Amino acid sequence: DAGITQSPRHKVTETGTPVTLRCHQTENHRYMYWYRQDPGHGLRLIHYSYGVKDTDKGEVSDGYSVSRSKTEDFLLTLESATSSQTSVYFCAISMDRGYEQYFGPGTRLTVT
Amino acid sequence: GNSVTQMEGPVTLSEEAFLTINCTYTATGYPSLFWYVQYPGEGLQLLLKATKADDKGSNKGFEATYRKETTSFHLEKGSVQVSDSAVYFCALVSGSARQLTFGSGTQLTVLP
Repeated sequence: DAGITQSPRHKVTETGTPVTLRCHQTENHRYMYWYRQDPGHGLRLIHYSYGVKDTDKGEVSDGYSVSRSKTEDFLLTLESATSSQTSVYFCAISMDRGYEQYFGPGTRLTVT
Repeated sequence: GNSVTQMEGPVTLSEEAFLTINCTYTATGYPSLFWYVQYPGEGLQLLLKATKADDKGSNKGFEATYRKETTSFHLEKGSVQVSDSAVYFCALVSGSARQLTFGSGTQLTVLP
């Protein structure tokens, strides 16, 4: 158990509203990631972080922003949600040694 | 760029049958390879890993061998159980960016 929690676990929101998803870890790992999971696409990387205030874009970053002001929290923001952002969002961490990633339980987001 | 191609599902087997899920990859450099498993409604769990050619990863009766000559990392289990029903993802990480590239996943259903 890598001590990762995500909140909220489920959210329904309307098109055009801002949404922030939170990922929290308890073990001070340096690397954190946000993915989205959609049928037929596996998991796709949105943004990642390699330290406080150090973030970079992944494969599908358009429409998303992130912030990491503390080691333990990595926030994903949808500035103006669209129906194409309906998905399941997973946070992950990896440790300094080794490249495997450990995943949180996910947030199911529905944009109506 | 990096890519992972997985055997398309769904795969349906009877309990105690032999399982193979094929995975091939394209990567620059020397990737580390992983299999993840996702049970319904849950996040991804690391099942096994291999970090260099000819390494065999194993866990819970599952095995996969890193074959550099065929760029493959096929998942096998000698005798599946109903509790193995899940979605299985092959993944790799290569380079300093530590970004996982996933296959699209294979749904496995094991019938009693």
